[in-house]
Amino acid sequence: GAGVSQSPSNKVTEKGKDVELRCDPISGHTALYWYRQSLGQGLEFLIYFQGNSAPDKSGLPSDRFSAERTGGSVSTLTIQRTQQEDSAVYLCASSLVIASGGPYNEQFFGPGTRLTVL
Amino acid sequence: KNQVEQSPQSLIILEGKNCTLQCNYTVSPFSNLRWYKQDTGRGPVSLTIMTFSENTKSNGRYTATLDADTKQSSLHITASQLSDSASYICVVSVRGNNRLAFGKGNQVVVIP
Repeated sequence: GAGVSQSPSNKVTEKGKDVELRCDPISGHTALYWYRQSLGQGLEFLIYFQGNSAPDKSGLPSDRFSAERTGGSVSTLTIQRTQQEDSAVYLCASSLVIASGGPYNEQFFGPGTRLTVL
Repeated sequence: KNQVEQSPQSLIILEGKNCTLQCNYTVSPFSNLRWYKQDTGRGPVSLTIMTFSENTKSNGRYTATLDADTKQSSLHITASQLSDSASYICVVSVRGNNRLAFGKGNQVVVIP
């Protein structure tokens, strides 16, 4: 497809379960980002990848959160032992390059995965 | 304190009317500023991008302005349509840094 895709679009899980969220970036985009958006809040940065490397993991809220990217393409965000406060929309974005401040770092967003932890 | 503040938080406007959304930022050093539109249940989509030297940019009925001296930006929507109902997010890029600073968004509801 032409855009960023994410799956599943919705996920309902029970507290304590693990979940995996998937992101397929735009083909050729080297940078990939994960954000969390809670109701009424702005986007919260979680982690970004340059290729398969994650130079900045400082946004991950706890050690229950992890992410990986393989083949410079697909990325998965894993949340272990989910808590109710993890309920949010998880957005993935990709950009052509990580060019500090340049227009080529425009991020194209996927539709998000709405996670509900009961 | 959030580095990007947007106002008003929400507003309701009649179809066909104009409105202006405000974004104030404290991010420094500044590189560029983007306005995104986020429809309900969708990811944000870029509307405009402005660098330090640009003070206005248009995209159809959307016109963004930037005053880099006062660190203020606005997004003006002309002749609003029902499809303009969305959250409008101001995003500021820091020069020399790969992070972006996001505002919480202006929630716009256009009613017939």
